[in-house]
Amino acid sequence: AQTVTQSQPEMSVQEAETVTLSCTYDTSESNYYLFWYKQPPSRQMILVIRQEAYKQQNATENRFSVNFQKAAKSFSLKISDSQLGDTAMYFCAFLIQGAQKLVFGQGTRLTINP
Amino acid sequence: GAVVSQHPSWVICKSGTSVKIECRSLDFQATTMFWYRQFPKQSLMLMATSNEGSKATYEQGVEKDKFLINHASLTLSTLTVTSAHPEDSSFYICSATGQGLLEQYFGPGTRLTVT
Repeated sequence: AQTVTQSQPEMSVQEAETVTLSCTYDTSESNYYLFWYKQPPSRQMILVIRQEAYKQQNATENRFSVNFQKAAKSFSLKISDSQLGDTAMYFCAFLIQGAQKLVFGQGTRLTINP
Repeated sequence: GAVVSQHPSWVICKSGTSVKIECRSLDFQATTMFWYRQFPKQSLMLMATSNEGSKATYEQGVEKDKFLINHASLTLSTLTVTSAHPEDSSFYICSATGQGLLEQYFGPGTRLTVT
């Protein structure tokens, strides 16, 4: 069975700082996708970034980038120039290619302080 | 991007009654929909997966007679909580995906309070 582990239950940084959220996963599959979702206080789940396992290049979306280490089964999210609106729960998620179910991590509560 | 709506966003019902939550895909055909439950400060727990026109597949430990799921069209899935009890109070989230889509698109969630 696939598992996703987020070892940081809570993090807090000052506005404009850079923060990295960690995620590790366990699978025997070779073809899969990894996601970071954001859940702000409104509780609407928002996709932040996606990484295909077959791609060596790390995905980037504006201030959000990932460090994907396939051999280590690690998928961390870096938020640069953090903003107050980045305050949210962040969930790492895993999807086997061809499967339907997302496997979520426990989440990291990120607070950006002014 | 793909949009998923949920209705109602918030509902209070009395213990023993049933309540129905709707999940709609607004701009794509949702071949597969998912229902999650989320407790405060916790992750999403998948309850069931439904493919259009088929019976839902429930996760282990989820009572299918209590949580009735119908996915009769490519744009609508419903979750009915039957004979609700206070312990069913929670935040329920649906998501949907479709042909050629990789990601799941999430609805805004429904807060259910059973008194």
